[in-house]
Amino acid sequence: DAKTTQPTSMDCAEGRAANLPCNHSTISGNEYVYWYRQIHSQGPQYIIHGLKNNETNEMASLIITEDRKSSTLILPHATLRDTAVYYCIVSLPSSGSARQLTFGSGTQLTVLP
Amino acid sequence: DAGVIQSPRHEVTEMGQEVTLRCKPISGHDYLFWYRQTMMRGLELLIYFNNNVPIDDSGMPEDRFSAKMPNASFSTLKIQPSEPRDSAVYFCASRLQGWSTEAFFGQGTRLTVV
Repeated sequence: DAKTTQPTSMDCAEGRAANLPCNHSTISGNEYVYWYRQIHSQGPQYIIHGLKNNETNEMASLIITEDRKSSTLILPHATLRDTAVYYCIVSLPSSGSARQLTFGSGTQLTVLP
Repeated sequence: DAGVIQSPRHEVTEMGQEVTLRCKPISGHDYLFWYRQTMMRGLELLIYFNNNVPIDDSGMPEDRFSAKMPNASFSTLKIQPSEPRDSAVYFCASRLQGWSTEAFFGQGTRLTVV
């Protein structure tokens, strides 16, 4: 699985958009980008994933650059409950065989009141 | 579904004792994963199962660690004998087999070995 690089920490004002970047310059053509987050003392929680098109769900938006070497997770209106460690993971999908998720260090997002 | 259920939530044991952590995956999920999280090493995959069969246990740190999945609704991670360096939060996760399915994690078991 390709390696990812994320900033160690970021702050965001409550109500503003939080934009979390991730570099994955060695991503291969069939690897997906997954985002998970881990709120303190809880298990990781899936947020969103994508291959090459931008994706949006009820939690966030995922913007993937055309060359797929980087992506940005956008929380459109951050709340205090969004304070967590956010993990960007690049992995093959699980069709046919399981692909485990390899977690890096992630980005500690702190939403400030 | 109640999600992935782990027990106990907290475990304190003395060095040398046997510890058994338990996990009930989401019904119908094909894969089960055991992770360990520490401050120093972050989240590490220990082992995973597909349809109750262990597929990759290369992340299991030592022979003191063993994992079983006797049926589709139950898995255990056992440490015997336990050591202080085993202190960590242990997470269980499950997912469906298929294209790009997400993994669901339990709340974890915080293990302290004194």
